[in-house]
Amino acid sequence: QIALKESGPTRVIPTQTLTLTCTYSGFSLSTIGLGVGWIRQPPGKALEWLTHIYWDDDKHYSTSLKSRLTVTKDISRNQVVLTLANMDPVDTATYFCAHINMVRGAVTFDPWGPGILVTVSS
Amino acid sequence: QSVLTQSPSASGTPGQTVTISCSASSSSLGRSSVNWFQQLPGTAPRLLIYNDYQRPSGVPDRFSGSKSGSAASLAISGLQSADEADYFCSAWDDSVNVLIFGGGTKLTVL
Repeated sequence: QIALKESGPTRVIPTQTLTLTCTYSGFSLSTIGLGVGWIRQPPGKALEWLTHIYWDDDKHYSTSLKSRLTVTKDISRNQVVLTLANMDPVDTATYFCAHINMVRGAVTFDPWGPGILVTVSS
Repeated sequence: QSVLTQSPSASGTPGQTVTISCSASSSSLGRSSVNWFQQLPGTAPRLLIYNDYQRPSGVPDRFSGSKSGSAASLAISGLQSADEADYFCSAWDDSVNVLIFGGGTKLTVL
């Protein structure tokens, strides 16, 4: 059974760098065709894709956030780490990580972690 | 940047069939397969439909997806109060290698 869970700070100060960890189980990110993505959702608003990383270390980033985003994987720890630099109050959102299996076609997120609400405030 | 447009809201009564639409603004986005997600209040999204019409195991066949050209639809038949949720579509724009989500449709069961 595949499961993912996000962890990290729930409050950050403007200009700080956010680091979130997605710890997963039930699959190996060294398996061909698999990946992990990050999506966020400001309170009461729509989902916004941020980035995803594949088994072969191929990475894709949101165009608008590319200069601030980094995604890495640590297969030995079953973790994917997201960093978002220069945080601003508009980055306040629930951040989700999700499993990708390319067998299901282009970038299909299933399942998702429960999410972590990150508030940016001084 | 390409967008996926959804109506902000939809409604229906128990037992009815409701259809939610998702329209792509560009041909590159329009030729991509569409996924649909259900988000119950206070929970993470759940995959309902992938590759335009395919259902993951565990998703009731009351949920069905279709696509014609740049327009995709999610139909929910035999509407239940438990279906009250936000529904989002998504697609991969391979011209710029980005994933796009629609703005979401809030479904109310009257």
